Amino acid sequence: QKEVEQNSGPLSVPEGAIASLNCTYSDRGSQSFFWYRQYSGKSPELIMSIYSNGDKEDGRFTAQLNKASQYVSLLIRDSQPSDSATYLCAVIGSNTGKLIFGQGTTLQVKP
Amino acid sequence: SAVISQKPSRDICQRGTSLTIQCQVDSQVTMMFWYRQQPGQSLTLIATANQGSEATYESGFVIDKFPISRPNLTFSTLTVSNMSPEDSSIYLCSAGTGVDTGELFFGEGSRLTVL
Repeated sequence: QKEVEQNSGPLSVPEGAIASLNCTYSDRGSQSFFWYRQYSGKSPELIMSIYSNGDKEDGRFTAQLNKASQYVSLLIRDSQPSDSATYLCAVIGSNTGKLIFGQGTTLQVKP
Repeated sequence: SAVISQKPSRDICQRGTSLTIQCQVDSQVTMMFWYRQQPGQSLTLIATANQGSEATYESGFVIDKFPISRPNLTFSTLTVSNMSPEDSSIYLCSAGTGVDTGELFFGEGSRLTVL
């Protein structure tokens, strides 16, 4: 079992729709969770962090965390073609304190 | 925030040679890390670059193959030694400015191709 699992996609949504990206993790002791966005040929950039169960909103982005289910998600409202990228879920390991990345989900937003 | 410059941005190398990648941060940072991203794959942590002391390597990575230096709070190097085609990858320098090791800034990466 991978430590951080994501569906590689691609996830294709029409412009203006809500994109839902999902992630599960295996380390029940993890407390810190992150979403990074990586455009093709570019380096990852942090877009959201979440530490508590529930929702955290930042503009068009909402991160959702359910520690009991070991599940993290990212919702992108009013998706734009410029949102087309790979979204990496990352978790800090409870034993190592290091950031562990999932393989990423490729999102395609079609005009 | 931090702006991270890496060089070279890309290189083509011959089998058996070594290459050093440089990473410069525009401000003092508490943490620096080196990641590898193989084609179509996610990021794998190679090591934590410790200022003034030996780097801390992750499982599967050793100092003889990936020697790392960090002489100060803004600069680090990663050397990929005795390269083989399996080392063809993107190598990314990252840095954190706070306590949270999850909030990282990344350099643009160094794409190495080993023939």
